[in-house]
Amino acid sequence: GENVEQHPSTLSVQEGDSAVIKCTYSDSASNYFPWYKQELGKRPQLIIDIRSNVGEKKDQRIAVTLNKTAKHFSLHITETQPEDSAVYFCAARYINTDKLIFGTGTRLQVFP
Amino acid sequence: NAGVTQTPKFQVLKTGQSMTLQCAQDMNHEYMSWYRQDPGMGLRLIHYSVGAGITDQGEVPNGYNVSRSTTEDFPLRLLSAAPSQTSVYFCASSDGLVYEQYFGPGTRLTVT
Repeated sequence: GENVEQHPSTLSVQEGDSAVIKCTYSDSASNYFPWYKQELGKRPQLIIDIRSNVGEKKDQRIAVTLNKTAKHFSLHITETQPEDSAVYFCAARYINTDKLIFGTGTRLQVFP
Repeated sequence: NAGVTQTPKFQVLKTGQSMTLQCAQDMNHEYMSWYRQDPGMGLRLIHYSVGAGITDQGEVPNGYNVSRSTTEDFPLRLLSAAPSQTSVYFCASSDGLVYEQYFGPGTRLTVT
């Protein structure tokens, strides 16, 4: 079926450490994989996205990698800061049904 | 630009009541969608629309109706509210599924 699995559900790191969140999808034809950040009480906002013709994309301290063969993609945050604390959602576009399906979220806590 | 707006921000309903959650966008986006967010379950797609006059079901459509008579508006109707529909509802719009989804501020609905 159409689903996106996301792990871990919670992640605690020390400020300055790296954080990695992983997602898997089921449709090999999926071609778009965004990541959203949701701060407490606020709406989700896009932080980075990757298309299936690219294996990696970076934006300052944030990077996303895509392994199409294994059908998984990951978010990497380096040099974490307390303001990175939030819930992060991955998503995948399912082409056949034209839907964007989200993972269940990862609550990241960065301790000073 | 106001972006994506939602009304109301908060709503309490009794079981069996009906209501409409309003969503509007001023970015001329063709794609609009409704999600519900529950703890530990991420963002689940309720209904979506790829353009005026076109709607389709998402992952959890039961108990909800939508219509899209204009590009700007995409209301979500709860036909007969149930406690299981207690949730935070987000509306989103975009130029398409491979572009950023812009989320509204959300509506927190409680059904007693």
